[in-house]
This record gives sequence, C-alpha cells and structure tokens, in this order.
Amino acid sequence: GAGVSQSPSNKVTEKGKDVELRCDPISGHTALYWYRQSLGQGLEFLIYFQGNSAPDKSGLPSDRFSAERTGGSVSTLTIQRTQQEDSAVYLCASSPQTGRGTDTQYFGPGTRLTVL
Amino acid sequence: KNEVEQSPQNLTAQEGEFITINCSYSVGISALHWLQQHPGGGIVSLFMLSSGKKKHGRLIATINIQEKHSSLHITASHPRDSAVYICAVTDMRFGAGTRLTVKP
Repeated sequence: GAGVSQSPSNKVTEKGKDVELRCDPISGHTALYWYRQSLGQGLEFLIYFQGNSAPDKSGLPSDRFSAERTGGSVSTLTIQRTQQEDSAVYLCASSPQTGRGTDTQYFGPGTRLTVL
Repeated sequence: KNEVEQSPQNLTAQEGEFITINCSYSVGISALHWLQQHPGGGIVSLFMLSSGKKKHGRLIATINIQEKHSSLHITASHPRDSAVYICAVTDMRFGAGTRLTVKP
C-alpha cells in the first residue's frame, strides 16, 4: 500500500518568506509526527498529532512555526518569515495508534528546505 | 548531558562481523525505538520494544528497563547494513545516532 508522502521534496526559499510543507500519512493512521533534521545533526521532535489535535507542541522552535491537521489525515507545517537556521530536512511520520511514541512509526521521505 | 546517549558514534566493521550498538537513557520510558537511516536519508523503523528482546532476521534488539539500557545487534554484518542507527525513547527524544560502515 501507499506509504507516507511529503511534498514538496525540495523547497528553496528566500529569507523572510513563508513556506508550507505537506504530509500525507498512511490511510487510517491516527498519530502523526513532524521532525526536523538539520545538516549533520540528529533528529529533533517538533509536534505530534493525535487525530486532529496536537496535545504536544513543545518541540516547535519558535512561534514562527505552526502545524495543523485536518480530517484526521493531511497535515501542513507552516514556517513564517523563514530564517537561514530553518534550513533542514523536515520529516513526517505516522503510526496506527495514538499515544506518543508507543507504536511503530512509518516515515516519509522528507522535505529538504533551503533558506537563502 | 543528553537524555539519550548512543555509543559508539562511529563504527567500522568487516563483512561478517557481529555488531553491537548501545543506547542508554536517563528518563522513564514506556517504549524504545531503533531506527535505521540509509545514506539517501530514508528512515525505517526497525524495532519498538518495551521489555526483553526482539529479533528480525539478522537484527536483534534488547532492552533492560531497570538499567535504562538497550542494545542493537547485527549478526553476520553485510555492506548493505551500512547506515546510521538511531535510538529514540517514548516521547521521541533521539540519540545522536551511530554511523555504521561495513566493508566487504
């Protein structure tokens, strides 16, 4: 079956512009996660959705970052007024069960964001 | 101090060798994940475990909850096992990863 998909695969933007990154989870998966991986760095948790609600937004690095999920399916991560330090690969993952980190996660291919 | 520590940071092995990667954590958890990140960047979940031991093919993962320690073993390693192996605890705090290179 179809896995987790993300779009765009690559995004180059200018400093100060807003960007939207999209994640399509596996159909029927209740939990959805966003992560960030900066160049040469480890994975960093950003936000977790349980259905359409986000019980934990603690990982969002600043108020320029926001995310929503609609219909228990597609999620969008928005970064406003992008800065060069936002350059990273943004990864999405989904899992069948709710409960943060308590089920196997399936990762998308990521969106590579470059802020010039 | 990072709440999730992995060792070694880098590991080079010859094909056929037995590999062990370690993960220690300092927080209470209900599950621990082992992930594999291929050179192209794709991430695959290898194991999620909360106690004991799991095996899948040549991969074995163990966890000791009392000692807050987990190990990932690879038997009869192969060049295709070359990747970064990452452990993560329940609320998705990650170790820095172990870069494994298996030479033919």
